[in-house]
Amino acid sequence: EDQVTQSPEALRLQEGESSSLNCSYTVSGLRGLFWYRQDPGKGPEFLFTLYSAGEEKEKERLKATLTKKESFLHITAPKPEDSATYLCAVQGGSARQLTFGSGTQLTVLP
Amino acid sequence: EPEVTQTPSHQVTQMGQEVILRCVPISNHLYFYWYRQILGQKVEFLVSFYNNEISEKSEIFDDQFSVERPDGSNFTLKIRSTKLEDSAMYFCATTATGVKNIQYFGAGTRLSVL
Repeated sequence: EDQVTQSPEALRLQEGESSSLNCSYTVSGLRGLFWYRQDPGKGPEFLFTLYSAGEEKEKERLKATLTKKESFLHITAPKPEDSATYLCAVQGGSARQLTFGSGTQLTVLP
Repeated sequence: EPEVTQTPSHQVTQMGQEVILRCVPISNHLYFYWYRQILGQKVEFLVSFYNNEISEKSEIFDDQFSVERPDGSNFTLKIRSTKLEDSAMYFCATTATGVKNIQYFGAGTRLSVL
């Protein structure tokens, strides 16, 4: 059974204070690891997908990396508008379904 | 930018009533999914649908649930006899064919069962 654990559960940063979110996973045959952003009362918004260990993706202040056991979402010089819950999900084996972690609720204070 | 559209945004129903949640997928996407998120909990997979049939379903997706694509554009989730524990956000997601498998989510329907 695929499992995803995210840490920390919540993170408060000052504007400009860089940090990283962790996603540890267990999956049989990783097809893809996905990062989504979720704002309150909204659906998950796609950010990145990573397919193999060593891969990295960047978008504005966000950078996602992948190893064989975990993924990190690095946030550089965050702004208040980066405040949201960041979800990690995996897709494994022959299945197309996503298995989500519980998310990290990020608050960036001005 | 194309998006997945879900209606209604909020549905209130009495326990035991039937509800139908609707989704309009992104044009030319062929894989469709329903997920749910109970308040404060993880997003959970319910069912996937391709080529007019269910391809995968979770243990949550029991006989009370059904999905269909009635008219070639809408994708629906029906709950036959709602229970209090069905109260949740329900998200539709769609994927284009190909290797990237990126699932794009709608804004969700909040279902409140009283």
